[in-house]
Order: sequence, then structure tokens, then C-alpha cells
Amino acid sequence: DQQVKQNSPSLSVQEGRISILNCDYTNSMFDYFLWYKKYPAEGPTFLISISSIKDKNEDGRFTVFLNKSAKHLSLHIVPSQPGDSAVYFCAATLSGGSNYKLTFGKGTLLTVNP
Amino acid sequence: KAGVTQTPRYLIKTRGQQVTLSCSPISGHRSVSWYQQTPGQGLQFLFEYFSETQRNKGNFPGRFSGRQFSNSRSEMNVSTLELGDSALYLCASSLLAQGNTYEQYFGPGTRLTVT
Repeated sequence: DQQVKQNSPSLSVQEGRISILNCDYTNSMFDYFLWYKKYPAEGPTFLISISSIKDKNEDGRFTVFLNKSAKHLSLHIVPSQPGDSAVYFCAATLSGGSNYKLTFGKGTLLTVNP
Repeated sequence: KAGVTQTPRYLIKTRGQQVTLSCSPISGHRSVSWYQQTPGQGLQFLFEYFSETQRNKGNFPGRFSGRQFSNSRSEMNVSTLELGDSALYLCASSLLAQGNTYEQYFGPGTRLTVT
């Protein structure tokens, strides 16, 4: 049972345009969400996170939106740059307690064309 | 501050052998998690250690085990290797329980190939 889903395996956008990466989750207990970027032969790099008490979080060119009723979150990258080309993973967890683990989606390969 | 380090970076083993992978977390981080990444399955959680105790375990067979030392360094062991164990093994550390942060910071991974 895949609790975090990234239904688009790949996305291609032009440099300077907006990239929108989507993620859906099924476990309503998840209350903290994260996005990671991964280049080949490297470990994932933390990008941005959001708690379920918020519906938006911004950090520079990156904004994450959370729609709890739809169990959906998205990552917006504006403007997109060629260096943003990587695999993006969405992850979720339950905050608090000792049951700490990140549940990841399978990733979306973003290609930003110059 | 140095990041998460993992050794070795690459490893080739034969089916039936066993392997030990090592992870040094970011200084001050006491939570260490391990993940397996394969092309078809993405990142799958193996286990998490905090203060030398395994607090959570993923859905992997008992051939996969780990431990954490008093300095927070961690090792994972895979016994009786199978071809399907070929993967990138990622270690991540976190400040969890020291500020309510849930971000994990990953090392570069160990690429294990089983032949």
C-alpha cells in the first residue's frame, strides 16, 4: 500500500517558467511533509517542509502548498533553472511520538530545458 | 559542520555473503535512519535508531539488521545477500527530539551490487 504517491514520473519545463510537482497521500495521520531533491550518485537534499497547521510555506524560489482536505501537496519552483533538473521526492511523517520515519513517494524527474 | 558520511561508497559482493555498511551522522544528531533505494521502489525505510535503541523498523526481512553506538555512529548489516539486495543504501540523521524538527539529512549512500 503506497501511502505517498507521485503520479508523474517525469516533468519537462522551459527555463524561467514555473515547475509544479505534485504529491498525494492516503494516510490522514500524516501531519508533516517534506520535499527532497536528488542528483544522480548523491543522497537526497532537503528542500522545504510544511506542517499540517499551515497551507503554504515559501523559501526563495520554492513554495510548498498543502491541501489537507484533498490530501494533496505541491511544490512550485519559480523561476525554474537548468540546475533544478533532478529527481524530486515528496515525503511525509507523523510528528511527535517515537514512531519516526519518512514515507517517500517514488519521485518525479524534473528536466529544465535551457 | 560536516555532513553525513557513509562508507564505503561502492561495494561488490557475491550472493550468500554478508556486508556491513557504516554511517556517521552530523555532529549533534542522535537519530539515524537507513533507507534502501531501488529503481522500482523508490526510497524504502529500513530502521531508525535513537540513543542506541532501534525505535522503528520497516518491512524488511531479518537478514537486515543495524545498530547504533554511543557516539551516534550507526552500522547496518545484511546477511546472506541476495541479488535483489542490490541497491543504494542511504543513511540519514536528524535533530529529532531536540527541537521538534523532522527534517532528515542524507549521506551520499553506499552503492551495493550483489553478483
